[in-house]
Amino acid sequence: DVKVTQSSRYLVKRTGEKVFLECVQDMDHENMFWYRQDPGLGLRLIYFSYDVKMKEKGDIPEGYSVSREKKERFSLILESASTNQTSMYLCASSPILADEQYFGPGTRLTVT
Amino acid sequence: GQSLEQPSEVTAVEGAIVQINCTYQTSGFYGLSWYQQHDGGAPTFLSYNALDGLEETGRFSSFLSRSDSYGYLLLQELQMKDSASYFCAVRDRAGGFKTIFGAGTRLFVKA
Repeated sequence: DVKVTQSSRYLVKRTGEKVFLECVQDMDHENMFWYRQDPGLGLRLIYFSYDVKMKEKGDIPEGYSVSREKKERFSLILESASTNQTSMYLCASSPILADEQYFGPGTRLTVT
Repeated sequence: GQSLEQPSEVTAVEGAIVQINCTYQTSGFYGLSWYQQHDGGAPTFLSYNALDGLEETGRFSSFLSRSDSYGYLLLQELQMKDSASYFCAVRDRAGGFKTIFGAGTRLFVKA
């Protein structure tokens, strides 16, 4: 079974802190994605990556950056956390030409 | 721009059939997917349509009409465990085949 894990289920940070969210997949997938999910807005794509050291902006990249130094790991970085970044963050992976994305359990981030 | 529309809520009775519609607008449509998400859980993939027509997977079927920019998810023999949120998602050639999700439809199944 494909497994996508995220470093934390719940996280509380203060405004202005630098926040790292880690995602690891164990199926050698080329594609990895970071989404945020907010009530009534569905899943919105923040960044995605097709390969190691490659990244593409999604629909809402402002205030975020990403890092993919190894194929299995995709990190989301909040450079200076703000209260409007309080949300559920979901990581996903997929093989390069596949349509099915496999999601991790999510990290519920609260910024106070 | 890119947009997807689906109803926010649908309610149905156990054993019934329910259809969740999705209309989309994209510049480089590639395919339509459906995901299910239970409360507190991660989205899980249900189906994918790239060509017009109906795809059946057990109690679930998904339909696509590219000319109408429209698709639907059909759930038959509804069970209580089908109560969840359902998201349609469009794969778009623009921006490197990224996937854009709808806001989701909350399905309530009543006994």
